[in-house]
Amino acid sequence: ETGVTQTPRHLVMGMTNKKSLKCEQHLGHNAMYWYKQSAKKPLELMFVYSLEERVENNSVPSRFSPECPNSSHLFLHLHTLQPEDSALYLCASSQGVAGAFDQPQHFGDGTRLSIL
Amino acid sequence: QKEVEQNSGPLSVPEGAIASLNCTYSDRGSQSFFWYRQYSGKSPELIMFIYSNGDKEDGRFTAQLNKASQYVSLLIRDSQPSDSATYLCASAGGTSYGKLTFGQGTILTVHP
Repeated sequence: ETGVTQTPRHLVMGMTNKKSLKCEQHLGHNAMYWYKQSAKKPLELMFVYSLEERVENNSVPSRFSPECPNSSHLFLHLHTLQPEDSALYLCASSQGVAGAFDQPQHFGDGTRLSIL
Repeated sequence: QKEVEQNSGPLSVPEGAIASLNCTYSDRGSQSFFWYRQYSGKSPELIMFIYSNGDKEDGRFTAQLNKASQYVSLLIRDSQPSDSATYLCASAGGTSYGKLTFGQGTILTVHP
């Protein structure tokens, strides 16, 4: 596989469930990101990891918990979500140091999350 | 206050015409700018990035950057129906170091 892959592609869960989103990048990149995309709103950065270390938490509620066990894998653990958390969750990766201005980010296809 | 602004459109152009997509940004320290294309239900796909003033061309696409005016644009020549998508402008650097700041996107429709 090439690029950035995310699983599952679709997820429906109740507010009391616990689930995890998975992202894997096959590009040899050092930085990985989680974004949230809601209808009619700009992409919102959630978390940034650089060399497996979290370098940014963009005021995300604690019901979202990221994990980066190595530079190729990124998880987003979900617990006690709210209906307004329904959105497309996108993972991205980039070469070099996270946020390096000359390194574009490459996105996965996302997980469409619906909270009942 | 939005940091990256785009006209949400929709922008409609006939096939073969030039589509012009515009973006302004508020952070003067922003250093680079990216254009992504997103088809409905798909992830953003990088088209071009630019960080020097002036024009940068790649095939049918030309990105233009004017840092003094805090303005970046994307021109699509010989527009095709397959170019119909949402185009996202993003900035990096400055006070947003460590992240891309996205605009809300412009919907482009190219009609035959």
